[in-house]
Amino acid sequence: AQSVAQPEDQVNVAEGNPLTVKCTYSVSGNPYLFWYVQYPNRGLQFLLKYITGDNLVKGSYGFEAEFNKSQTSFHLKKPSALVSDSALYFCAVRDSHGSGNTGKLIFGQGTTLQVKP
Amino acid sequence: DTEVTQTPKHLVMGMTNKKSLKCEQHMGHRAMYWYKQKAKKPPELMFVYSYEKLSINESVPSRFSPECPNSSLLNLHLHALQPEDSALYLCASSQSIDVYEQYFGPGTRLTVT
Repeated sequence: AQSVAQPEDQVNVAEGNPLTVKCTYSVSGNPYLFWYVQYPNRGLQFLLKYITGDNLVKGSYGFEAEFNKSQTSFHLKKPSALVSDSALYFCAVRDSHGSGNTGKLIFGQGTTLQVKP
Repeated sequence: DTEVTQTPKHLVMGMTNKKSLKCEQHMGHRAMYWYKQKAKKPPELMFVYSYEKLSINESVPSRFSPECPNSSLLNLHLHALQPEDSALYLCASSQSIDVYEQYFGPGTRLTVT
């Protein structure tokens, strides 16, 4: 069964410092990985995805993620955190079976990022 | 334009009421989704429509009834809900059910009294 794990419930970082939000995955076949951010009382916003190609994926708002096949990880990073980056972050993997894609995303439990001034 | 709109933003309903949630996108996407989300938890998939046909029902109780009148619209009809159905209901769309990102609407905050 496919799964995603976000090992940290919360990450605290000072403004201006680099941030990392961790994600590991378990899939059969090729992983299709996504990061989303959710601000309070809002829907999810797409940040970036890995389908194939370069292991370093660049996304919205200065975020990037590094795909590591050997460690089955897809950590979200930003070189310099902003207070406005404080939000709930979800890693997700596309569910797929031998019969094809289902459109279903499997989400991690989420990580709350707190950036302090 | 990557906007998915949802109405209403907030809804309070009694357990005997019938109400509907509406979702709209004009991005030409052919896959649309309903999710339920409890506070600080990941979204839970409820239904997937692909080319206006229901392709996934995640064993959702029959008091939730989805409808896709056309490729731009998705409705969720609610009837005889329970207090535990109170949640944020999110609609999303994607180019297709293949490996494309999903774009989410802002959600409808539903409270069942």
